[in-house]
Amino acid sequence: QSALTQPASVSGSPGQSITISCTGTSSDVGTYNSVSWYQQHPGKAPKLMIYDVSNRPSGVSNRFSGSKSDNTASLTISGLQAEDEADYYCTSYTSISSLYVFGTGTKVTVL
Amino acid sequence: QVQLVQSGAEVKKPGSSVKVSCKASGDTFSSYGISWVRQAPGRGLEWMGSIIPILDIADYAQKFQGRVTITADKSTSTAYMELSSLRSEDTAVFFCARDRPGDFYFDYWGQGTLVTVSS
Repeated sequence: QSALTQPASVSGSPGQSITISCTGTSSDVGTYNSVSWYQQHPGKAPKLMIYDVSNRPSGVSNRFSGSKSDNTASLTISGLQAEDEADYYCTSYTSISSLYVFGTGTKVTVL
Repeated sequence: QVQLVQSGAEVKKPGSSVKVSCKASGDTFSSYGISWVRQAPGRGLEWMGSIIPILDIADYAQKFQGRVTITADKSTSTAYMELSSLRSEDTAVFFCARDRPGDFYFDYWGQGTLVTVSS
């Protein structure tokens, strides 16, 4: 089972919007609406930001939104803030060899 | 308030085993599963396996099959991950995380446990 493909890095200025892509296959992202996104600051545990493609847990800012088209899921951060600088990972349910597959991770830099 | 509290850092010799614990608060063990996720230094997240404590059913990623064992003690609401035949490449932070059977996402995470494999 190969990892989902994410860009290694994405950057933006404060106030801008950025989008992180997460590309899988028909065995995971393309078939199942079980895509979730996690934010991880250095030395910390990941934090759930989006689940089931586009749902936000209680307490997560509405600046974070998720979507999916075909085999690619996306996380958009609008009104970028300094505190959004972190690593972001997508994950999906997969029907091949394990329950979950993670993305390769994206480092978000706020310029 | 849900908390997952993991055991402390470990240093192990190559070829040995390590067992990491994850103690859950609240009603986690009555309704949820516990997964284990590995993160090597400077690398991404990797799902290793999970257990549904009330059913005592464990599932493992193919990559770790035969080398990892995940168990749960319902009496103490503690899950365990044991990794055997350790090698230097297993040096990593191991996280436990909570998910609900049928809901494929992790809503709470432990603080992580660093395991260093070194001779």
